[in-house]
Amino acid sequence: DIQMTQSPSSLSASVGDRVTITCRASQSISSYLNWYQQKPGKAPKLLIYAASSLQSGVPSRFSGSGSGTDFTLTISSLQPEDFATYYCQQSYSTPPVSFGQGTKLEIK
Amino acid sequence: EVQLVESGGGLVQPGRSLRLSCAASGFTFDDYAMHWVRQAPGKGLEWVSGISWNSGSTGYADSVKGRFTISRDNAKNSLYLQMNSLRAEDTALYYCAKDIVATIHERDAFDIWGQGTMVTVSS
Repeated sequence: DIQMTQSPSSLSASVGDRVTITCRASQSISSYLNWYQQKPGKAPKLLIYAASSLQSGVPSRFSGSGSGTDFTLTISSLQPEDFATYYCQQSYSTPPVSFGQGTKLEIK
Repeated sequence: EVQLVESGGGLVQPGRSLRLSCAASGFTFDDYAMHWVRQAPGKGLEWVSGISWNSGSTGYADSVKGRFTISRDNAKNSLYLQMNSLRAEDTALYYCAKDIVATIHERDAFDIWGQGTMVTVSS
């Protein structure tokens, strides 16, 4: 099974900051990598699919990049509504679909 | 409005069974694969099971294989999860999620999620 490791596990940042979250796969997954945002008490929301494709309706300040084993989610200018937990998910070798452990983005 | 609504959760004793349901609306249900994803209290996301558009292919996490069965009824726009031999470690919020493709194990990404139904396994 493919293991997904996110870093950091938690992150403090301020409104307006540029933030990068990293996701590493235990083996190559080509570009089969998705990113989700989850706010407390809410279901996850798909932000990025296929490593770099922005899901419809998601603000352009979110972007994804990478291929193979290393991927990044970047928020170009943090907004108050972006404070949440972010998960990566691989869909290259399934089952099982696997998620990273999550990165909690908090207000500094 | 595109919507998924889960039901069927509750408190159940270890070793007992429970059946979850997910009602879909606002999209062509039989065009897409569907999945169950769970989240234990305070923990991350764990994929549980998926099923292709025509029920031709299913997949399970090792942690539930042999105990859980996923199914769908396209005529009723509904997804199900039959959970047998429940354990304390199955305690979680169970989400129904829509795939962006029709067949599982191909670029699975989950673009629509329900609000979840809570399953608590305890004596």
